[in-house]
Amino acid sequence: DARVTQTPRHKVTEMGQEVTMRCQPILGHNTVFWYRQTMMQGLELLAYFRNRAPLDDSGMPKDRFSAEMPDATLATLKIQPSEPRDSAVYFCASGLQGHTEAFFGQGTRLTVV
Amino acid sequence: DAKTTQPPSMDCAEGRAANLPCNHSTISGNEYVYWYRQIHSQGPQYIIHGLKNNETNEMASLIITEDRKSSTLILPHATLRDTAVYYCIVRVASRDYKLSFGAGTTVTVRA
Repeated sequence: DARVTQTPRHKVTEMGQEVTMRCQPILGHNTVFWYRQTMMQGLELLAYFRNRAPLDDSGMPKDRFSAEMPDATLATLKIQPSEPRDSAVYFCASGLQGHTEAFFGQGTRLTVV
Repeated sequence: DAKTTQPPSMDCAEGRAANLPCNHSTISGNEYVYWYRQIHSQGPQYIIHGLKNNETNEMASLIITEDRKSSTLILPHATLRDTAVYYCIVRVASRDYKLSFGAGTTVTVRA
């Protein structure tokens, strides 16, 4: 059963620490999305990649956030330094260009204290 | 992408059909209507999409009005596991598909 895998599922860290969230897209999918969900803002698109190249990261705070795809099987989202306002659930999703369905992972719940 | 308007919440009885409305009065001719849902503590899940014809799959039916300014997602026999937030999204299929989620409708299925 193909699925998007995110690690870790939960992360508690202190303010100022670096946080790295990982995503393994479904094998063969060439589009990867990062979303953030909070009670106040709902689901926000942070960035997305096509064939490992960033297409749009306009939703991402550039000073502290970075997203990369070191290879086709791994996407990473880093926050450095982390702040309490970064506390949220971060979702990764993958899909195929030209197709209509995006598959979401279970999310990483981040708490910055 | 055009915006959508959905009621914030609705209840339905288990075993009955759940009809979820969505208004998208500014939809363009090349924009599709998509529905996703998010069960508590899970990632969003694709349900169905359509352009102008009614669509049906194993999860739901999508009814789009002739003028395409509104649509209804129908869950034919709602179960407790259908309790979720349902998102109606319109987007151009040919564009790199940035899915923009609104607030959605919180559907509670009651026994």
